[in-house]
Amino acid sequence: QQPVQSPQAVILREGEDAVINCSSSKALYSVHWYRQKHGEAPVFLMILLKGGEQKGHEKISASFNEKKQQSSLYLTASQLSYSGTYFCGTEVGSGSRLTFGEGTQLTVNP
Amino acid sequence: ETGVTQTPRHLVMGMTNKKSLKCEQHLGHNAMYWYKQSAKKPLELMFVYSLEERVENNSVPSRFSPECPNSSHLFLHLHTLQPEDSALYLCASSTRTGVGMGYTFGSGTRLTVV
Repeated sequence: QQPVQSPQAVILREGEDAVINCSSSKALYSVHWYRQKHGEAPVFLMILLKGGEQKGHEKISASFNEKKQQSSLYLTASQLSYSGTYFCGTEVGSGSRLTFGEGTQLTVNP
Repeated sequence: ETGVTQTPRHLVMGMTNKKSLKCEQHLGHNAMYWYKQSAKKPLELMFVYSLEERVENNSVPSRFSPECPNSSHLFLHLHTLQPEDSALYLCASSTRTGVGMGYTFGSGTRLTVV
């Protein structure tokens, strides 16, 4: 069963912050985050394993709440280059299939 | 370039044609995947190959036939497709034995069935 992402779309001005959520009805082993720009390949951002850890990647960080089976992606001081569609992917076990959410379209305007 | 190369980038084919999509990676990964990406739909897993063995066939119609001759190459053979098969087909690779490793995707093949 695919994870549910929210919001479906968000529009920001450069410098603003955003949060994208990903939730699952199943117990998760890991959550992946990817960004895809139009006409390009999805690019791996980070992976979070169960244990409630938080990770960072420049001004993009994420958390994983194992109890709620929910992950959040935080984008701070957004840049124009952050525009794209963000996907979360979830695994229920190590090496199991990666199931993706529908994506969140993020647009950063000047 | 991501390290995963897909060819062709664009393909238009008739419903009676036979064509093949190619994916190549030289990242040392031991698992490869085919995903289908349609408009307003999540990425759909089609096939998984681990160490050149097909470990998953996600209820894909037989008009799609995968082939993995070695750990660096993956093909998707297409025949008698339907217009609803038009989509972006993405190949990805990963290290199955690694923990905390993400997938590397190719740029995809945009397929149009006419």
